[in-house]
Amino acid sequence: GEDVEQSLFLSVREGDSSVINCTYTDSSSTYLYWYKQEPGAGLQLLTYIFSNMDMKQDQRLTVLLNKKDKHLSLRIADTQTGDSAIYFCAEKLTGGGNKLTFGTGTQLKVEL
Amino acid sequence: GAVVSQHPSWVICKSGTSVKIECRSLDFQATTMFWYRQFPKQSLMLMATSNEGSKATYEQGVEKDKFLINHASLTLSTLTVTSAHPEDSSFYICSARDRVSGGETQYFGPGTRLLVL
Repeated sequence: GEDVEQSLFLSVREGDSSVINCTYTDSSSTYLYWYKQEPGAGLQLLTYIFSNMDMKQDQRLTVLLNKKDKHLSLRIADTQTGDSAIYFCAEKLTGGGNKLTFGTGTQLKVEL
Repeated sequence: GAVVSQHPSWVICKSGTSVKIECRSLDFQATTMFWYRQFPKQSLMLMATSNEGSKATYEQGVEKDKFLINHASLTLSTLTVTSAHPEDSSFYICSARDRVSGGETQYFGPGTRLLVL
């Protein structure tokens, strides 16, 4: 079945790098996504990676995918206070249509 | 970028009343929209997939007669919570997939917070 897990909370200092991790159980993922949710708001797509890729970089964001270990990570370089939010990973499965399965979410707190 | 709006952004209603939530794609056409609910400090759970011009597809455990979905046009889907009860209080979020560009992204609305008294 589908199960996507994330650590609940991460605290970093401003200017440091943040690494948010995600593990999933279904190996038939086609795409994996990272979304950001600020308090009381909807989800903002940050980036996504195709399952046959190992890495994708987009400005301060780096996504690493280890398909063998079913592990996805999001690295935010030079973390700023505005990055404080909840981050969700999500996967789209082969044959699942456009349905996304979301992780449990990681709350990132950036401290001065 | 693609923008999805929801209306209302929040609603308080009495138990037993029905509440309609609108989801609109503002600058693109969406043949498929999705409805999620999110309880406090929890992840998003897909409720149903809304297809323009056809019946919605509901996830297991979601009552289709309780959560009525209508996707009457390429830019509008509505979710009606019928005979709402306090346990229906939640954050409802819709998303839409761009019909033209297709791609692999869903664009999310800002959410509607429902409180049933």
